[in-house]
Amino acid sequence: QKEVEQDPGPLSVPEGAIVSLNCTYSNSAFQYFMWYRQYSRKGPELLMYTYSSGNKEDGRFTAQVDKSSKYISLFIRDSQPSDSATYLCAMNRRTGANNLFFGTGTRLTVIP
Amino acid sequence: GAGVSQSPRYKVAKRGQDVALRCDPISGHVSLFWYQQALGQGPEFLTYFQNEAQLDKSGLPSDRFFAERPEGSVSTLKIQRTQQEDSAVYLCASSTTLNTEAFFGQGTRLTVV
Repeated sequence: QKEVEQDPGPLSVPEGAIVSLNCTYSNSAFQYFMWYRQYSRKGPELLMYTYSSGNKEDGRFTAQVDKSSKYISLFIRDSQPSDSATYLCAMNRRTGANNLFFGTGTRLTVIP
Repeated sequence: GAGVSQSPRYKVAKRGQDVALRCDPISGHVSLFWYQQALGQGPEFLTYFQNEAQLDKSGLPSDRFFAERPEGSVSTLKIQRTQQEDSAVYLCASSTTLNTEAFFGQGTRLTVV
């Protein structure tokens, strides 16, 4: 069993929809949680970063962490065609990009 | 350029051949990371440098994989006697320090035939 599980999709939604992306994990030592966006043939770029449990909002994006359930989510409001990409969750025991554990990634397509 | 630069972008190697992949981090970034991303998978950690010191190489899958950063800037990931299972995108990332945001390059896509 992988330490981080993520539904690979693909997920297709109409423009303007609310998108919900999720990951589960097994290691209770994870304290730092991230969401990356990866466009085709590009490297991942950091979208959201949260520490421990709670919510964090940044524009149309909201990240949620529920450590008791070992479950994290990313919500995208008013989705746009430019949001079409693969979304990767990642987590770590310590801060920083050393030894990040990534999910498989969910491929999202927003249809105009 | 302001970002992390990796070369070559694409590399085709015959099985058994040695390859060298180059990473130019953002200028002044102390921390440098290598990840391997197989097709349809998330990146997997390979190794981490702070300046020229390789502080974590726990993700290197075998002794055929070797990374160096001799002057604390450019890094090279070398794979000896390549095998088909080495086919993947190799991503390099750098950050100002260990605890700040890491920026990824576009990766080198290695295909072993």
